[in-house]
This record gives sequence, structure tokens and C-alpha cells, in this order.
Amino acid sequence: KNEVEQSPQNLTAQEGEFITINCSYSVGISALHWLQQHPGGGIVSLFMLSSGKKKHGRLIATINIQEKHSSLHITASHPRDSAVYICAALNYNTDKLIFGTGTRLQVFP
Amino acid sequence: DAGVIQSPRHEVTEMGQEVTLRCKPISGHNSLFWYRQTMMRGLELLIYFNNNVPIDDSGMPEDRFSAKMPNASFSTLKIQPSEPRDSAVYFCASSTGQGRGYTFGSGTRLTVV
Repeated sequence: KNEVEQSPQNLTAQEGEFITINCSYSVGISALHWLQQHPGGGIVSLFMLSSGKKKHGRLIATINIQEKHSSLHITASHPRDSAVYICAALNYNTDKLIFGTGTRLQVFP
Repeated sequence: DAGVIQSPRHEVTEMGQEVTLRCKPISGHNSLFWYRQTMMRGLELLIYFNNNVPIDDSGMPEDRFSAKMPNASFSTLKIQPSEPRDSAVYFCASSTGQGRGYTFGSGTRLTVV
């Protein structure tokens, strides 16, 4: 069993839909990153969370440390949101990331 | 800041050849990471440095892989001899510590034929 699990693995949506991607982890963490990777592209850190909720534009990330669960929400999805979204658990002592398997999102016009 | 700079962007080489990947971290970042991404295994940490010192190289696949960080602004990942199974995208990342400022380079796509 992976230490960081994501669901779903693949997700398709129509433009404008509300999207949720889930991440569960079994390791002790200091924080959790949500990363975005466009096809053939680099990796961008969207959020780093250690508690509560963060919002940036149409993106919202939440984390429940007790339940070891985090979610990434996209409101009013757009085709340019099509990418792979990866959650990654972070240990402050080492700064090492443990990655989930990723969620491939496709948003159609 | 130009971000984390990796070179080359693409590398195609023949099996048995030596391959050197390069990374320039963001100035002021004291942690540097080398990751490998494949379809089968996703993203994996190979090695990371803190203040130019290798801290954890447990992810390095085997002795064919080596990494150096001679100074705060430069790191290399070397594969000698390369094999087709080394084909992957190799990412370098740097951070200021405690996950802050975590920034990835654009990656080097390596193909070993």
C-alpha cells in the first residue's frame, strides 16, 4: 500500500463543473503539497498546507491532520485546468516529499 | 529569479554511454533534490543535499548513479554506464527548508536507446 494515496486516478469534467481530488496518507507529516503538472511540462507547487484551508483563485485546498486527509477543489473548472495533480507529503526534518500517484484531470469545453 | 535551471532539456544517448544532468538551484535555497519520474513508478526521490552535503541517497538505484554538489549553485547527476531502463524525466528541485519555497526545474527528459 502506498504511503500517499490519491483518488480518483482519472477524472473528466465539463467546463464549469466543480472538481474534487482526494488524498490520504499514512505517514506522519509536517505539511502536504499539492502539485500541478501539465502534459510534457514541469511541476508547479500550488499549495503547501499544514492545517485548515488555503484558497488561490479558483483553487481551494483543505487538510484534516487528525484524519490524514486532504482535498483539492477546483471551482468553475476550465480546459486549461487539464493537468495531472499530485499530492505529496512533506517531512519538515528532511524536506523530502513522498508523492501520491497523481490524478489526471481533463476538462472539456 | 529564473527559478531552478536544468540542462539539458532533452538527452538521447546510446546504452553504455555516460550521461550528466545539471541543475542550478534558486539562489539562497539550501536544500536540493533530484527526482525521477517514470510512467510505472511516478515520482521518486533519488538523493537530496542540504548545504551542499548529501543527506540521503537511499533512492539512488545503484552504483551507476552518482550525484555531486560542489557548491551552492550547482549540482550534477551522473549515470555511467546508462541503460534503457534509466529512460525517464529527471527533475531537480530546491527549497529554503521546512518545505518553503519548494520549486521544481523543468526537468530533463532522458532517453537511452
